[in-house]
Amino acid sequence: GQQVMQIPQYQHVQEGEDFTTYCNSSTTLSNIQWYKQRPGGHPVFLIQLVKSGEVKKQKRLTFQFGEAKKNSSLHITATQTTDVGTYFCAGHYGNKLVFGAGTILRVKS
Amino acid sequence: DTAVSQTPKYLVTQMGNDKSIKCEQNLGHDTMYWYKQDSKKFLKIMFSYNNKELIINETVPNRFSPKSPDKAHLNLHINSLELGDSAVYFCASSPRREVSYEQYFGPGTRLTVT
Repeated sequence: GQQVMQIPQYQHVQEGEDFTTYCNSSTTLSNIQWYKQRPGGHPVFLIQLVKSGEVKKQKRLTFQFGEAKKNSSLHITATQTTDVGTYFCAGHYGNKLVFGAGTILRVKS
Repeated sequence: DTAVSQTPKYLVTQMGNDKSIKCEQNLGHDTMYWYKQDSKKFLKIMFSYNNKELIINETVPNRFSPKSPDKAHLNLHINSLELGDSAVYFCASSPRREVSYEQYFGPGTRLTVT
C-alpha cells in the first residue's frame, strides 16, 4: 500500500536548538499536510503544501515541499518546551490521507 | 464549544465483549473518519463517511462496524473485542470528501482490552 516514510523517529534537543523532520513518498503526492500531536492529545492540523517547491512559514516553523512533490520537511528554529509532541506528515493518495509514522520531539530545558 | 467530541474518553473492557464509541461534530462538515492509533503512535485510517455514505473501508476486521445516523455523527461498534484492539481511536471530520481539506480530530477514545 501507499506509504509515507518519516524520519527520524525520535529527536531529543536542547531548548534553543533547531529541529527538522523529513517525509518521503515513493510516489508523487497531490499535496501534503502536517499535524502536531501534543502528549496525551489529538492531532492538530498545522499546514498544507500543494505546489512543487513550496515553502511556507509559521513563526519559527518552516515547511517545504520538494520539487518532485515526493518529499517534505518541517524545520523548527530555536525550539521551545512548548514544541514538544509528535509531528506527523500526511500524504494524499487517492481519496485518503496516509500518515507518516511521526517524529517525537522532546525538548530539554 | 467542542468541535469534534467522542465518548467515552476511556474504555476498559474484557476480551470477547462488544463495545461502541460515539463521535459527534458540530462544524457542519460533510465527511467523518475513524482512525486507529497504536502504541507506537502510528495513525491508520479505518473508515470514512461522506453524508452518511461509506466512502473508505480499509482492511479492517468485520468485527468493526461503523454507523452514521446523520452527517454529524459517526459511531464505531466493535464485536468480540481482542487484545490487539487496544489502541486510541480518533474520530475526525473535514468539510468535504476531497482530501485537500484539513481534518479536525476529536480528543480520542483510549480502548484497553484485558
